[in-house]
This record gives sequence, C-alpha cells and structure tokens, in this order.
Amino acid sequence: NAGVTQTPKFRVLKTGQSMTLLCAQDMNHEYMYWYRQDPGMGLRLIHYSVGEGTTAKGEVPDGYNVSRLKKQNFLLGLESAAPSQTSVYFCASKSQGGVSTDTQYFGPGTRLTVL
Amino acid sequence: AQSVTQPDIHITVSEGASLELRCNYSYGATPYLFWYVQSPGQGLQLLLKYFSGDTLVQGIKGFEAEFKRSQSSFNLRKPSVHWSDAAEYFCAVATGYSSASKIIFGSGTRLSIRP
Repeated sequence: NAGVTQTPKFRVLKTGQSMTLLCAQDMNHEYMYWYRQDPGMGLRLIHYSVGEGTTAKGEVPDGYNVSRLKKQNFLLGLESAAPSQTSVYFCASKSQGGVSTDTQYFGPGTRLTVL
Repeated sequence: AQSVTQPDIHITVSEGASLELRCNYSYGATPYLFWYVQSPGQGLQLLLKYFSGDTLVQGIKGFEAEFKRSQSSFNLRKPSVHWSDAAEYFCAVATGYSSASKIIFGSGTRLSIRP
C-alpha cells in the first residue's frame, strides 16, 4: 500500500514548455486534489476531482488543466509553463465521506522550477 | 469568506520546552479545524482535527489543540518538544461541512528546535 505517489519528484522547465504531473493513489479514494505551495502562502488549491471523469476549479486554476480518466490517477498539466508556476506541487486524496470524517492524504510533492 | 491566520512565521524553542503555535480563523459558523505537520521534503500529515464536542483535542505525536470560540483561535500545544518535532505546521479550516467542502490552509509556522 503505497498511499499517494507523485511523479516526477523534481523537474526543471523552460518558459513555454509543457509537462504533466502524475498523481496516483491506491486507497480507492473518490476525491483527489492538486495544491501548490509557495513560501509564506501555505497551500492553495488548484483543481480537484470528486470522482472519475469529473474535475473542478479551485482557488488558483489559471494556467493549469487536469484530468481524471481513472479513479486512481489525477493528472495536472501545464500547457505553457511560466516562471510564476515555479512551486512545489502536492497531490492529496480522501475517501467519499464528510469533511468531518475523512482525512486528506498527501503525496510527497513535486518541485518544479520554470526558467 | 473563510480564512486562517498563523501570526508566527518562525519559532525556535529549546528541546524539552513547551510549545504553543497560534492559529486564528475566520468562519461564520462552527468551524471544522485541522492542524497538519510537514517534515522537510515531505507531504503533509494530519496531527489532529476539531469538529464539535470537547474543545480540547488530542492528536498524534503528543500534540493537542484547544478550540476557543470567543477568541476564534485553535492553538496547537505540546508540553515537551523533541528534536524530531522540527517541521512546518499548518492550521486549516474547512469551507463547509459536506464531503465536497475544501480546506483552506494558513501560511504555516516553521518550528526549529534548539539543542
């Protein structure tokens, strides 16, 4: 049981390049989330999904797209990377229960640098 | 709108000393509150959560937090810190009570331990 895994762990991009971050969970969770973490700003929600085939915008969705084709995977895409997207990206998942009963489980993060 | 404020960016305490990390929230009704810990290079781990009932909540690793409605606070405490407690700590509030509710994180407090 690996929990939540993220690929890759590190990546350096040039401005304008594209890439996809992969999040995988083996806990059969319905809900999945993508956050970015910037110094002094905590975690901010980018996009989330409440089930396979569904996605929704979070607090800072601009410049990102997501897909949830399989229940266990949640992909975060950057179509044209910008230096402002330099950040640490975290994926999280939780089961389909109330926010009061279920904990979000976090992956180890992906450190992305855009030059 | 819901928000969380962690007024201390960085705190240093001596090993064996007591610890209190401050958290203030803004929410119109009874909040759902959380404390998470992030060790260097790791994802976030839930320490404890408050939903209702006893205002003193016990968590993992010897941490506790007290909900004070009159002060809109949810401070984290530990009677005696260990060097392994050095990490970043995030307070968070849920945006609602349903399973689709999201979590808003504070900006974090970095804890250093003095030998």
